[in-house]
Amino acid sequence: GDSVTQMEGPVTLSEEAFLTINCTYTATGYPSLFWYVQYPGEGLQLLLKATKADDKGSNKGFEATYRKETTSFHLEKGSVQVSDSAVYFCALHLYGGSQGNLIFGKGTKLSVKP
Amino acid sequence: SAVISQKPSRDICQRGTSLTIQCQVDSQVTMMFWYRQQPGQSLTLIATANQGSEATYESGFVIDKFPISRPNLTFSTLTVSNMSPEDSSIYLCSGRTSGRANSYEQYFGPGTRLTVT
Repeated sequence: GDSVTQMEGPVTLSEEAFLTINCTYTATGYPSLFWYVQYPGEGLQLLLKATKADDKGSNKGFEATYRKETTSFHLEKGSVQVSDSAVYFCALHLYGGSQGNLIFGKGTKLSVKP
Repeated sequence: SAVISQKPSRDICQRGTSLTIQCQVDSQVTMMFWYRQQPGQSLTLIATANQGSEATYESGFVIDKFPISRPNLTFSTLTVSNMSPEDSSIYLCSGRTSGRANSYEQYFGPGTRLTVT
């Protein structure tokens, strides 16, 4: 079935370090891909998205490129800040599939130390 | 975009009681959903809230336990009935905006943190 696999955390980095959180997916069709972020004590916020192969989503210094050949959507940021500490979820949705279902990865907790 | 609010933001309830969570969206969304996030886990879809008709439940969730209403396009409620400690979770409301094929966005409320004692 359709699924999302994220690198397991927690990930601990120093401020200004480079961040990569790996995400790969399995899907029977052509999904849209998303990264959501959940700050402590809050709900999920849409961070970025990509709807077709080679699209690059970007927001707040974060980027992810939809790679169909490797079925990946890795999240990157060149220089993390303490305020980026949160849990990051990769997700997919297949248009025309189950009407409700965003399929989420298990989440990766990021802690950034000053 | 859509801004989604929920109330209560948190509650502590006794087992055997029920809690109704309200969700309000600031603009019309085509679809509304309820998710559960158990401690340290990812999100699990409970059901799709359908306007004016019965919700569509995912496997493992039933209407008697999680009755849902959606009287209009911007409001929905989820009730957690006859609660047990296993129901302790964060419950999140979500709304999806319409768009071209494959071009939509889904937004989440801040969640309701439920503890059942």
